[in-house]
Amino acid sequence: GAGVSQSPSNKVTEKGKDVELRCDPISGHTALYWYRQRLGQGLEFLIYFQGNSAPDKSGLPSDRFSAERTGESVSTLTIQRTQQEDSAVYLCASSLGYSGSGDTQYFGPGTRLTVL
Amino acid sequence: AQSVTQLGSHVSVSEGALVLLRCNYSSSVPPYLFWYVQYPNQGLQLLLKYTSAATLVKGINGFEAEFKKSETSFHLTKPSAHMSDAAEYFCAVTRNSGNTPLVFGKGTRLSVIA
Repeated sequence: GAGVSQSPSNKVTEKGKDVELRCDPISGHTALYWYRQRLGQGLEFLIYFQGNSAPDKSGLPSDRFSAERTGESVSTLTIQRTQQEDSAVYLCASSLGYSGSGDTQYFGPGTRLTVL
Repeated sequence: AQSVTQLGSHVSVSEGALVLLRCNYSSSVPPYLFWYVQYPNQGLQLLLKYTSAATLVKGINGFEAEFKKSETSFHLTKPSAHMSDAAEYFCAVTRNSGNTPLVFGKGTRLSVIA
């Protein structure tokens, strides 16, 4: 079956512009996660959705970052007024969303964002 | 709060040699532990996970990891390295409740020399 997909695969933007990154999770996965991977760093958690609700937004670095999920499916991560430090690979993951037994997260290929 | 430390940002081994990638974690609750691999220009792929069923966990591509609570470690090993194993490896931990964000180490880049 299809895995997690993300679009665009690459995005180059100018400082101060807004960008939208899209994630299509695996069908039937109720949990969805956004992470950020900056050069030479591990992955940083941004936000987690269970269904269309976001019980954990603790990783969003500033109020320029927001995300939404609709139809318990597609999610969009929006970065307003982009800054150069926002340059990173943004990874989306989805999982079945049940508690216990180490619910496995499946990752998409990522969106590489470059802010000039 | 949980955290993960991966010792060595870059490990280089000869083809056919033992691969050992180190991971230590801290967690105030029983953890779930994961190893992911990231090949160039690809997303993360799950290698294996520890969920308290057995301390020695076998994964894909001949990799395995052993959970040692006394050492708070979850090191990844493979008896014989292949060229195709060259990639970035990430150790991650989450709380014992599933359905929660992963906390990742900074990753270890594995190079395999012919």
